Amino acid sequence: QSVLTQPPSESGTPGQRVTISCSGSSSNIGSRTVNWYQHLPGTAPKLLIYNNNQRPSGVPDRFSGSKSGTSASLAISGLQSEDESDYYCAAWDDSLNGVMFGGGTKLTVL
Amino acid sequence: EVQLVESGGGLVQVGGSLRLSCTTSGFTFSLNAMNWVRQAPGKGLEWVSSVSGSGGSAHYTDSVKGRFTISRDNFNNTLYLQMKSLRAEDTAIYYCAKDRSYDYDAFDMWGQGTMVTVSS
Repeated sequence: QSVLTQPPSESGTPGQRVTISCSGSSSNIGSRTVNWYQHLPGTAPKLLIYNNNQRPSGVPDRFSGSKSGTSASLAISGLQSEDESDYYCAAWDDSLNGVMFGGGTKLTVL
Repeated sequence: EVQLVESGGGLVQVGGSLRLSCTTSGFTFSLNAMNWVRQAPGKGLEWVSSVSGSGGSAHYTDSVKGRFTISRDNFNNTLYLQMKSLRAEDTAIYYCAKDRSYDYDAFDMWGQGTMVTVSS
């Protein structure tokens, strides 16, 4: 069981807006920044959001991140078929003294 | 262009050892923390270990403490993961990941991964 909790799956239709939640605690999300990664199995994972809401160069502004208290969210607007992938949140955990990943959310574009 | 290329994976028996390497290029290696992240078959991403830019500070997930050692060669721009006393549950794709900063921040570049299979 992951320290950071994500829904196992989410889905949406093209053009729709979807959000993926990530719930943690005071020792991780509550006191540290959250990063989000996109991963298509068999390929290299990709950094989507860092420092809660910052997008690396090249990441479309359809992707946005937010954090409130011990929870964080990734929002994807204008959903596209190529967004179908696995998404992971991650944060440093001060109690475990290491990086924690959420269990991952499989996004399906219907 | 930043490149990370893992090597050293393979099939090993339970209790055996393996050393993974990650050869890098395209950035000033010593300025960035480096990490190993793994994905077991059918499972999610799991952080394994991190090392600071100088190599002076390292962290490990609990399940590999005392068995795995992360190290880096800042002259040859290479990251290593020495794995000993391997268990079946260590079977995974192991990814090398570059951090955005000198210490932990976010993993902004990843390699393609190398497969480690631990068989009994």
